[in-house]
Amino acid sequence: QSVLTQPPSVSAAPGQKVSISCSGSSSNIGSNFVSWYQQLPGTAPKLLISDNNKRPSGIPDRFSGSKSGTSATLGITGLQTGDEADYYCGTWDGSLSGWVFGGGTKLTVL
Amino acid sequence: QVQLVESGGGVVQPGRSLRLSCAASGFTFSTYAMHWVRQAPGKGLEWVALISHDGGYKYYADSVKGRFTISRDNSKNTLSLQMNNLRVEDTAIYYCTRDRAAAGIPLGNDYWGQGTLVTVSS
Repeated sequence: QSVLTQPPSVSAAPGQKVSISCSGSSSNIGSNFVSWYQQLPGTAPKLLISDNNKRPSGIPDRFSGSKSGTSATLGITGLQTGDEADYYCGTWDGSLSGWVFGGGTKLTVL
Repeated sequence: QVQLVESGGGVVQPGRSLRLSCAASGFTFSTYAMHWVRQAPGKGLEWVALISHDGGYKYYADSVKGRFTISRDNSKNTLSLQMNNLRVEDTAIYYCTRDRAAAGIPLGNDYWGQGTLVTVSS
């Protein structure tokens, strides 16, 4: 299993909001920045959030990130069918001396 | 614009070797750390290896340590992954990704290539 824990799936209706959690430990989320990635079906992942809560250029403000202690959260508001994708959190783990990803969360927009 | 183009994937028998390459363009390659990340069919992302901007630091996932070697040629803007003693469980799409940092604690992968598929099968 993954070092970072994410729910396998979440779902919500168009226009609604959803939160995806990412739980870790003091050696990873607790001491390093968290990134979030979106992977649309059949495509390469794309950076969605960096440094816990910063959106790269071109990412809509419907996407937000936060971190508290050893957990991080990705929020998506105004859900669109085009947001259906797999979402991954990632960070550096100082104990493992390696980058770690969450297991991924599949978002379904009903 | 930033481009990362992987090559070298294919079908290989267990125990054999394969070398992946990633051609980088659109940015100053020598000032960024680089990763390889893989994704087995239908599975999640798995980090494989990281190399600092100057090649001075290299880190590996336990699953590939001792079998895979990451390297870079800053004069040719190329990242490589030498994969030896391949196993069936190494079957995956391999992505070349750029880190936002040059060295030190990685900050995350801001650009990804389209990936190259490696299939290990007898």
